[in-house]
Amino acid sequence: GQNIDQPTEMTATEGAIVQINCTYQTSGFNGLFWYQQHAGEAPTFLSYNVLDGLEEKGRFSSFLSRSKGYSYLLLKELQMKDSASYLCAVMDSNYQLIWGAGTKLIIKP
Amino acid sequence: DADVTQTPRNRITKTGKRIMLECSQTKGHDRMYWYRQDPGLGLRLIYYSFDVKDINKGEISDGYSVSRQAQAKFSLSLESAIPNQTALYFCATSGTSETGELFFGEGSRLTVL
Repeated sequence: GQNIDQPTEMTATEGAIVQINCTYQTSGFNGLFWYQQHAGEAPTFLSYNVLDGLEEKGRFSSFLSRSKGYSYLLLKELQMKDSASYLCAVMDSNYQLIWGAGTKLIIKP
Repeated sequence: DADVTQTPRNRITKTGKRIMLECSQTKGHDRMYWYRQDPGLGLRLIYYSFDVKDINKGEISDGYSVSRQAQAKFSLSLESAIPNQTALYFCATSGTSETGELFFGEGSRLTVL
């Protein structure tokens, strides 16, 4: 079966760096997405990786290793507004998105 | 105003009632989707449509039906609601960008008693 694994919850301190991991087993691979979802709100797109390596976008970076079925989202200079759930999703060989359950990130002052 | 609008935002209903959730978008996208989100689970696809004449079942279509009335409108119906359909429902659209990223509506919280 297809599976996306990510930690349920993480806690970090304001101003610090946090890495949220995502491992996947899917039927084929056509890209990996990270979305941010604040409580009670809609998910919003953060990043897309289809080739191995690191994609940097401001304070957020996303890394992909296709051979290992592994990605991480790196958040630097954490701010209180970064408290949210972070959803990992993989597009499979049928171009269907398979979603992880999300990682709830709690930022403490 | 939101680019993807869902109505109603909240609804409480009783078992056996028919419910319609509506979605409209101003992004000009051809592709529209309905997802449900439950605590501890990933988003699950109910139905999707790549254009007005195209409707496809997703992972969990049983108990649901959809109608694509126009490019901008995609509605989800629960013909006879049951308690395990209590969830947060999201409509989403996608265009032809390289990433195919999804743009989500604000969500419709449905409670079936």
